[in-house]
Amino acid sequence: RKEVEQDPGPFNVPEGATVAFNCTYSNSASQSFFWYRQDCRKEPKLLMSVYSSGNEDGRFTAQLNRASQYISLLIRDSKLSDSATYLCVVFGGMDSNYQLIWGAGTKLIIKP
Amino acid sequence: ETGVTQTPRHLVMGMTNKKSLKCEQHLGHNAMYWYKQSAKKPLELMFVYSLEERVENNSVPSRFSPECPNSSHLFLHLHTLQPEDSALYLCASSQVYGKNYEQYFGPGTRLTVT
Repeated sequence: RKEVEQDPGPFNVPEGATVAFNCTYSNSASQSFFWYRQDCRKEPKLLMSVYSSGNEDGRFTAQLNRASQYISLLIRDSKLSDSATYLCVVFGGMDSNYQLIWGAGTKLIIKP
Repeated sequence: ETGVTQTPRHLVMGMTNKKSLKCEQHLGHNAMYWYKQSAKKPLELMFVYSLEERVENNSVPSRFSPECPNSSHLFLHLHTLQPEDSALYLCASSQVYGKNYEQYFGPGTRLTVT
């Protein structure tokens, strides 16, 4: 089983729609969780951290479900500029040698 | 943005060549990283330097050789590469190593080995 697993997509979504995708992780002792965004042929950039209580940043909402070991990202009122690959990232602390463990990404395409 | 810069942006090299990738961070961070990104695969951590000392080497072939002369600069020396080494090589930095601080990435070097 992969340490961090994501549906690769692509998700083709009309502009203005709501889209959600999940990411599962295998290490139950994982400490911190993040969503990074990577535009085509660009570097990854932090989109948001994921807190235990869930958190929202504008149109983006992140949730953590420790019991089922997954995190989710919800994008409301999607824009063309949201088209990108969304990378799920998990920090396992000592269990993962203090490294970030990256998912392969979910590709999102917003269509006009 | 000039937080983390990488040169060259694109590199084509033959299997017998020797080349170096350069990374520079202007953020005052203490940890620097080399990642390999291949199509449809997760980022693979290759090397980590913390306060200029290598702290992690994730079973990377010896044809990749890192160098960290100071906390702002990181190099990846390449020699006798294989075609499967073609990928995007990303440099990143973070405030410290071993904590869940955000990593800031450079634009990457797209490497093609012929």
